[in-house]
Amino acid sequence: QVQLKESGPGLVQPSQTLSLTCTVSGLSLTSNSVSWIRQPPGKGLEWMGVIWSNGGTDYNSAIKSRLSISRDTSKSQVFLKMNSLQTEDTAMYFCARNVPGDPFDYWGQGVMVTVSS
Amino acid sequence: DIQMTQSPPSLSASLGETVSIECRASEDIYSNLAWYQQKSGKSPQLLIYYASSLQDGVPSRFSGSGSGTQYSLKISGMQPEDEGVYYCLQGSKYPRTFGGGTKLELK
Repeated sequence: QVQLKESGPGLVQPSQTLSLTCTVSGLSLTSNSVSWIRQPPGKGLEWMGVIWSNGGTDYNSAIKSRLSISRDTSKSQVFLKMNSLQTEDTAMYFCARNVPGDPFDYWGQGVMVTVSS
Repeated sequence: DIQMTQSPPSLSASLGETVSIECRASEDIYSNLAWYQQKSGKSPQLLIYYASSLQDGVPSRFSGSGSGTQYSLKISGMQPEDEGVYYCLQGSKYPRTFGGGTKLELK
C-alpha cells in the first residue's frame, strides 16, 4: 500500500538550514508527484511546494526564495531544504502524494521541527 | 493566490445532530474543492473531493456540495469519532490554499 514517511532533525537553530526527507513506498516517484505541507502548532495548513513526476518543481511564492525540493528516484526519497530558518518556521512538516488535478490523498505522519537556539 | 474563508471557526454539536461547515473561495474554483478531517496529532484525512465525491472508506453521513465560490460539508448525525478539525482545500490553482479550519467538538 502507499506510504510516506518524513524524517529529519527535531531542532534547528535560527538562521540555519532545514533538511527533511520523505521516503515513499508503494508508489514510484517517476509517475507520482509529492508536495510538502506544513502546520505551525495550533494553526492551519500551508502548502509549500511540489516536485512533479517529471522532476520539475513549483513553490509557494511566500517562501520560494528559501526553499528547494529535490528527489532521488532510486531511493524513493524526496528532499526538502529550507534556509534562513526563523522561529515562525516551527511547524509539523508533512509530505503528501500530489495527483495533478486531484487533492492530496496520501499523507505522511509528519515530523515536528522546532526552530530555537 | 486564491483565499479560502471557512466558517465557523468552531462548532459544538450533540450526538446525532446534523452539522454544516462552509467554505468560500475568493474566485471560482470550479468544484475543485476537497474536505479533510484532522484529529489531534495526526495527519489530515481526505473525506470529500471534487466538492461532492466521497473518498473510499468514509462514512456516508459525510457529504459535500457547492459550486463556484461557495461550498459546504455536512455531517448527518454527529458521532463521537467525528470530533476534530476540518479543513477545505482548493485544487483549482497553485499555490494550493486551505481554509482556516473548523474545530468540531461533541457537546
